[in-house]
Amino acid sequence: LAKTTQPISMDSYEGQEVNITCSHNNIATNDYITWYQQFPSQGPRFIIQGYKTKVTNEVASLFIPADRKSSTLSLPRVSLSDTAVYYCLVGGRHNTDKLIFGTGTRLQVFP
Amino acid sequence: DSGVTQTPKHLITATGQRVTLRCSPRSGDLSVYWYQQSLDQGLQFLIQYYNGEERAKGNILERFSAQQFPDLHSELNLSSLELGDSALYFCASSGQGNNEQFFGPGTRLTVL
Repeated sequence: LAKTTQPISMDSYEGQEVNITCSHNNIATNDYITWYQQFPSQGPRFIIQGYKTKVTNEVASLFIPADRKSSTLSLPRVSLSDTAVYYCLVGGRHNTDKLIFGTGTRLQVFP
Repeated sequence: DSGVTQTPKHLITATGQRVTLRCSPRSGDLSVYWYQQSLDQGLQFLIQYYNGEERAKGNILERFSAQQFPDLHSELNLSSLELGDSALYFCASSGQGNNEQFFGPGTRLTVL
């Protein structure tokens, strides 16, 4: 099973770019990497998903190196409302047995 | 609003009791997932159903069981409750594969 490791917490200031890295040394060939955002007492919300290289959407970018043993979620110009816990998820699109949430990174954005 | 509904929102019960949590997935989603989140802990995957059949199991206790009905709603049954079962229980649904899971607002269970 692909275990993931993330920093427990990170601090940033409004307007800065934040990069959160997730390590997944045992990622399998058919595993995808997905990131979710969670606010207190709310269900997680999908941010972005990728398999390799770079994926970008309207809220974030996901960088995955060639060996796929890690991934980096990049949040451009964060705001106070980005204060949340961010989870890295590794699993196959068709194999839920390997659905594993990381420990989560608590991002605190200061004014 | 994710389109996933969960009831009840809050549930307070005593040790040894049994409760049922209900989840209605997004319209058209065939997969339903259940997660447990204890205070300040990460999400623990419990179980997944796809179109009425159990698809995968995670760290689900034997005291817990789930099912998905023909109308695709799902129920999570928790029995012989212990203090440590107090947690937020989330339901999520997705369409084909695990591309994106949509989470419900959760049920907060308190066992006294």
